[in-house]
This record gives sequence, structure tokens and C-alpha cells, in this order.
Amino acid sequence: FMLTQPHSVSESPGKTVTISCTRSSGSIASNYVQWYQQRPGSAPTTLIYEDTKRPSGVPDRLSGSIDSSSNSASLTISGLQTEDEADYFCQSYDDTNVIFGGGTKLTVL
Amino acid sequence: EVQLVESGGDLVQPGRSLRLSCAASGFNFHDYAMHWVRQAPGKGLEWVSGISRSSTTLAYADSVKGRFTISRDNAKDSLYLQMTALSADDTAFYYCVKDTMGGIRGVVTHWGQGTLVTVSS
Repeated sequence: FMLTQPHSVSESPGKTVTISCTRSSGSIASNYVQWYQQRPGSAPTTLIYEDTKRPSGVPDRLSGSIDSSSNSASLTISGLQTEDEADYFCQSYDDTNVIFGGGTKLTVL
Repeated sequence: EVQLVESGGDLVQPGRSLRLSCAASGFNFHDYAMHWVRQAPGKGLEWVSGISRSSTTLAYADSVKGRFTISRDNAKDSLYLQMTALSADDTAFYYCVKDTMGGIRGVVTHWGQGTLVTVSS
């Protein structure tokens, strides 16, 4: 299966943005979805794991969800800050593979 | 604090081999599956390989199957990736990542800083 993300999104500081991740085949609910942030020149870090859980240190203005009706997962960032400008990747897996989405570049205008 | 420190990245010629290492600390390494994930410059993330906690299950992306071998030494808290028959397509940062369970699931919570492999003549 594939995970499809928008190439880019942009929003103003203080606003809320949602990044989608659509699974091409199989149910989005059948395997957990993770979200990773990567700032320029840095390694990725985990923002969300197991669909909705945040590692310690990740602020609660970031949240994850899944929607079986659209077979997609979403990452929502509220109270946007300039430091949120980065690339975001969703990821899931099946019995034999680990799959990443193509990534979404978030611009905070 | 979980720490994953990769090493072994280098400039190598096409067709040659290279071995990457990852030193783990801050958690019970032997309890968790581990993976290698790579990222070509300016590109997205690509899962390379995963290994269960006791090495009973190994998994590989089709792009590296038959050329790369993942292994671990739980006594040394270390993960390895032996890469052979390297080509320019293998040029990337290689990240060591930690799963949340002993079996391979691909639920990652921690990443290393990466090591750069450049394949060029």
C-alpha cells in the first residue's frame, strides 16, 4: 500500500493546520500510524505514535487522529509557531513492510 | 535518555561494501526491535530493514533485499547494517531507529542522528 500526503501546506502563526495521510489499500485502522517532524539539517523526531500518542516533550497542541471513512490519518497542529515550519512524514506498516508517506512541507507564513 | 549513535558512513565506490553500526543506550536494547531508515539528500524517508529483539525475524525493503544484512549484538547494545554491491541509489543518510515492541512493527519513537553514505566513483 501507499500513504499519500499533500506536498505542501501553509498557514499563518497562531492558526490551526491539518495534514492528511491517505492509505491506498487496506484499512487505515488495521495498523498504527506515526507522524514525524524533520527540520532542515536535522534528523526526524517522532511527534505521534500509535495513531494518537505523544512522546514525552511533544506539546499537546499537536494531535493525531484516524478516520476510517476516508481511510486517512491526520496530524493537527494548533497555535502555529514559526518553529513548526518543517517537513512532516506519516508512516505505517503491514506484515512485511514499513511505509512512509512522501512528506508534507509546512510553511508558517 | 534513549540515545542512538550511528557510525560507519563513508564515501565508497560503486560495487563496494560498507558496514554501519549503531550504539544504543538509555533503554533495555534487548527488549526492542530495531530498524534502519534512510533518506537520500533532498528526498523522503525510506525504510530499509528491521530486526526483532532476538534476531528471529529479519525484514528488508525490496530495494536492498539480497544486498544488505541487518544484525544486532544484544550483549553490546549494538545494531549493524552490512551493505554490499552499493550503487549511487544507496547514497543517503542512514538512521538507526527504535521500535516500541520486541517484534517488528514499525512503530518508531526514537531516532539517531544519522550517518551519511555516499556512493560515488
